[in-house]
Amino acid sequence: GAGVSQSPRYKVAKRGQDVALRCDPISGHVSLFWYQQALGQGPEFLTYFQNEAQLDKSGLPSDRFFAERPEGSVSTLKIQRTQQEDSAVYLCASSLARNRGSYNEQFFGPGTRLTVL
Amino acid sequence: TQLLEQSPQFLSIQEGENLTVYCNSSSVFSSLQWYRQEPGEGPVLLVTVVTGGEVKKLKRLTFQFGDARKDSSLHITAAQPGDTGLYLCAGGSGGSNYKLTFGKGTLLTVNP
Repeated sequence: GAGVSQSPRYKVAKRGQDVALRCDPISGHVSLFWYQQALGQGPEFLTYFQNEAQLDKSGLPSDRFFAERPEGSVSTLKIQRTQQEDSAVYLCASSLARNRGSYNEQFFGPGTRLTVL
Repeated sequence: TQLLEQSPQFLSIQEGENLTVYCNSSSVFSSLQWYRQEPGEGPVLLVTVVTGGEVKKLKRLTFQFGDARKDSSLHITAAQPGDTGLYLCAGGSGGSNYKLTFGKGTLLTVNP
């Protein structure tokens, strides 16, 4: 069965350029998460969707970061006016969990490695 | 802010050796997960522990959750080159179990 897929796998952007990163979660998974993993660090939470609703965006580092999941399946993370400090691997994960308090395994995609020059 | 400290940060051992890596926090977590991440891939869940003092075994891997649910350890017996990877612990807490706090990881290299 298909896992979580992300595209592109690699993205090189010039400083100031806008980028869009796509995540295709596992079919039927209600919850979707975005994480940022800097080199040598563990993943850091960015935002969480339950279906199409963005229930938590507390981890987004600035208003240049925007995420959406308009139909409750595919999600896009957009970064405007990219800066060098945005260089990282952006991971997407999905899970079956249907409410905030419950825990279900999060299945991660391979990530998109963003390099901002 | 909840923090998870993992140690050691790097570990290089020979095939057949045993090892233990640690995950410590000053905060209480309602659940704690261990993941393994290989280069160019996302983390893959190994185990979830939820009860203080809980011990889980997965073949040669033994996971323990501290009594106070603030720390955890991962012990690998007779390590193999296939165990090489970044081992991450992640904690979920309270009503926001969905939001995982990750440690920085232990990068394990097992040499043949």
